[in-house]
Amino acid sequence: AQSVAQPEDQVNVAEGNPLTVKCTYSVSGNPYLFWYVQYPNRGLQFLLKYITGDNLVKGSYGFEAEFNKSQTSFHLKKPSALVSDSALYFCAVRDPGSARQLTFGSGTQLTVLP
Amino acid sequence: SQTIHQWPATLVQPVGSPLSLECTVEGTSNPNLYWYRQAAGRGLQLLFYSVVIGQISSEVPQNLSASRPQDRQFILSSKKLLLSDSGFYLCAWNTLRGGAGELFFGEGSRLTVL
Repeated sequence: AQSVAQPEDQVNVAEGNPLTVKCTYSVSGNPYLFWYVQYPNRGLQFLLKYITGDNLVKGSYGFEAEFNKSQTSFHLKKPSALVSDSALYFCAVRDPGSARQLTFGSGTQLTVLP
Repeated sequence: SQTIHQWPATLVQPVGSPLSLECTVEGTSNPNLYWYRQAAGRGLQLLFYSVVIGQISSEVPQNLSASRPQDRQFILSSKKLLLSDSGFYLCAWNTLRGGAGELFFGEGSRLTVL
């Protein structure tokens, strides 16, 4: 079975400060991991993915994520938050060794305060 | 490049009325197609998916049905809407050919059942 957890429903950060949105996962093999962002009344937008290789993955809008196999985590990060980064963020996992579809976390609402 | 179109964007329907939400994908062939529902709150619930024309897999029993009349067309339907069908419906596509299988989402359809 595969699962993903986003332990924080809400993250608040001041504009200009670094931000982290946490994600942990569980799969039987090596995971494919994804981050998505959703603005109000919009569809989910793909930000970045980890398949293999470098543990630090860079994505859209200055976001990056760090894969940590020992901690089974894939936290989303940005060095300097913008007010426009305020949105709902979803982590997702897929076990490439199975035919299962992506499993999404419950989402984390990020609010960047001016 | 690939694009996904979903309509209508907003729909207000009375209880007991029928429903039809449409989704089409352009720029790819043989996509996997998905319908998700996002209720008030944030979680994504996978409703239906299809890996080939004419084949539909249902993830949860419910008042809704899906059809795939053409390779890149996915339709979500109901004969009689319930209040509990209200929500934000998202169509998505992916391919597992040579990639990680990340999903690409439409802009969503907001359904309100009164």
